[in-house]
Order: sequence, then structure tokens, then C-alpha cells
Amino acid sequence: DIVMTQTPLSLSVTPGQPASISCKSSQSLLNSAGKTFLYWFLQRPGQPPQLLIYEVSNRFSGVPDRFSGSGSETDFTLKISRVEAEDVGVYYCLQGVQIPLTFGGGTNVEIK
Amino acid sequence: EVQLVESGGGLVQPGGSLRLSCAASGLTLSDHYMDWVRQAPGKGLEWVGRSRDKANSYTTDYAASVKGRFTISRDDSKNSLYLQMNSLKTEDTAVYYCTRRTSWGQGTLVTVSS
Repeated sequence: DIVMTQTPLSLSVTPGQPASISCKSSQSLLNSAGKTFLYWFLQRPGQPPQLLIYEVSNRFSGVPDRFSGSGSETDFTLKISRVEAEDVGVYYCLQGVQIPLTFGGGTNVEIK
Repeated sequence: EVQLVESGGGLVQPGGSLRLSCAASGLTLSDHYMDWVRQAPGKGLEWVGRSRDKANSYTTDYAASVKGRFTISRDDSKNSLYLQMNSLKTEDTAVYYCTRRTSWGQGTLVTVSS
């Protein structure tokens, strides 16, 4: 199974400041067709997860442009350029290149 | 707008069975891969299983932790996805979500306890 390692475990951010979350996979997430199946989700308290970023760097519909994803192969990053109060929650990365799908352990983001 | 609504959760004794449903609107389920994902209380997300689309004969895959006990099925006439859970264990206690990654239901809580 592909192991997804997220860091940090938690993050406390002042509104307006940037934040960055790392996700490393134990194997390359690049498939034979040249696509990289790495996703980022935000789960707000009491809510189901919602998709933020698909295939490393593509923002899903309606996601603010302060969210950006980058990386390749086994090393990925989610950046929030200016954190807002509504960004509070747990962020998860997910690999979709190989069954079983596997999630990172999550990063809890709170506002200072 | 796509909506996924799970139902069927509840309290069940260890060794018991439960069938979860996921009713879809705003999309034709048969055209899409669908996953079940669960979240134990206070824990992270865990993939449970997948049902591929009609074009791929609705083939399924499961996490090792549920293989042989859980079965995913569909009913195209009801535009619904199901998760049949047998031989339930206390560690199966979780909120279960159906998802096509871009859309998630609100989840249904399954509690396995004596």
C-alpha cells in the first residue's frame, strides 16, 4: 500500500498569514498516462470533506485562489496564501493512483 | 447540483449486519466510479471500497480490513449505491460516506457495540 505522510500534524496561523502543508507518498503517484493522482480535501468541523485540489494543482470549482497545490512524483504541498477564519479544519491529502486509495493522517489548521 | 444522501446507519451488535444506501441526484451514478470512505470517531479518513462505472462492469475493490465482509452494489433504477456490511466488528464503528471525490454525502453513523 502507498503510505501518505502529512506534516505538520497541526498548524496555528494568524489570519492573513500564509500556511503550508506537506504530503509525501511512499511511491510515485504518476501513472502511465502521465497524470498524477494527488488530491487535497478540507474537512470543516462537523462537515464531510470537500475537494480543494485535484491532480496536484487544479483547483476544484468554487475554491478560492488563495489555495494552491504543487509537487510531483512523491512530494506535494498545499499552500494557503492568506489564511482566513473559514479555512479552519483538517486538511487531508489522498492518493488515487493505486488501490487501496490512501489518505494522509490529516493536518489540523486553527486560527490564532 | 449533485447530491448524495446516505442512510441505513445505526446501532448493531458485533457479528451483525447492516446495509447502507447512498441515493444520488443531479448525476447518473452508473456513469461514475463511486467510493465508500469511513471515519472512526475522532480519527482520519479511511477508504473502504470502490465500485467502478457501468462501462467497467461495476467491478469492485475493497480495503483489506473489510474484504470478504463488505459488498458494494448498485441499483441503476434507483440511482443508488449500497454497502452491505456483514460480520461487523467494533472497529467498524464510523461515519460512512459515499463519494465520487468531487461530491460527498453527509455520512451515516454506524455503531457496532454490545
